[in-house]
Amino acid sequence: DQQVKQNSPSLSVQEGRISILNCDYTNSMFDYFLWYKKYPAEGPTFLISISSIKDKNEDGRFTVFLNKSAKHLSLHIVPSQPGDSAVYFCAASWTGTYKYIFGTGTRLKVLA
Amino acid sequence: ETGVTQTPRHLVMGMTNKKSLKCEQHLGHNAMYWYKQSAKKPLELMFVYSLEERVENNSVPSRFSPECPNSSHLFLHLHTLQPEDSALYLCASSQDREPTPNRGYTFGSGTRLTVV
Repeated sequence: DQQVKQNSPSLSVQEGRISILNCDYTNSMFDYFLWYKKYPAEGPTFLISISSIKDKNEDGRFTVFLNKSAKHLSLHIVPSQPGDSAVYFCAASWTGTYKYIFGTGTRLKVLA
Repeated sequence: ETGVTQTPRHLVMGMTNKKSLKCEQHLGHNAMYWYKQSAKKPLELMFVYSLEERVENNSVPSRFSPECPNSSHLFLHLHTLQPEDSALYLCASSQDREPTPNRGYTFGSGTRLTVV
């Protein structure tokens, strides 16, 4: 039973446009959500996070939105750049645990 | 360079071999983790060590044997593996056993393991 789901395995976007990556979760206990970015032959690197007490967190070109009622979060990248081409993982956790539950990832390709 | 170094980067081993994966972190973190990434599957947590003590064994088969001699080093000893164990094995670390939620883990680059 996957508690964190990324239903789109891949996404292609033109350079300069917006990329929207989606993530759904099932566990109401989750109170922190993170996005990781992974290039080939490298480990995942932390990108941005959001607490369940917020509905939006912004860091430069990256914004994460959280809709708790829908158990849905999304990562917006504006404007998209070719260097953003990577696999993006959504992860969730809850206070007091060392575990992060990961999704299967979405491969983003930004076309020049 | 993330501060978490994994060796080797690639490993091909036969089903009767014994090999070890190594992870070293230079961040002064107190917790270390082994994750497995198989194709089209989520990252799976295998083992958690906090201050050199194993705090989680996530139903991992005994053919995988972790070792944490100190807070900077983590090993994964492999023996009599199966072809379905072929995957990317990722090491990660965090300051404490409960990672700061807005920072998460720091991952190494992984070891790509192929079992033939």
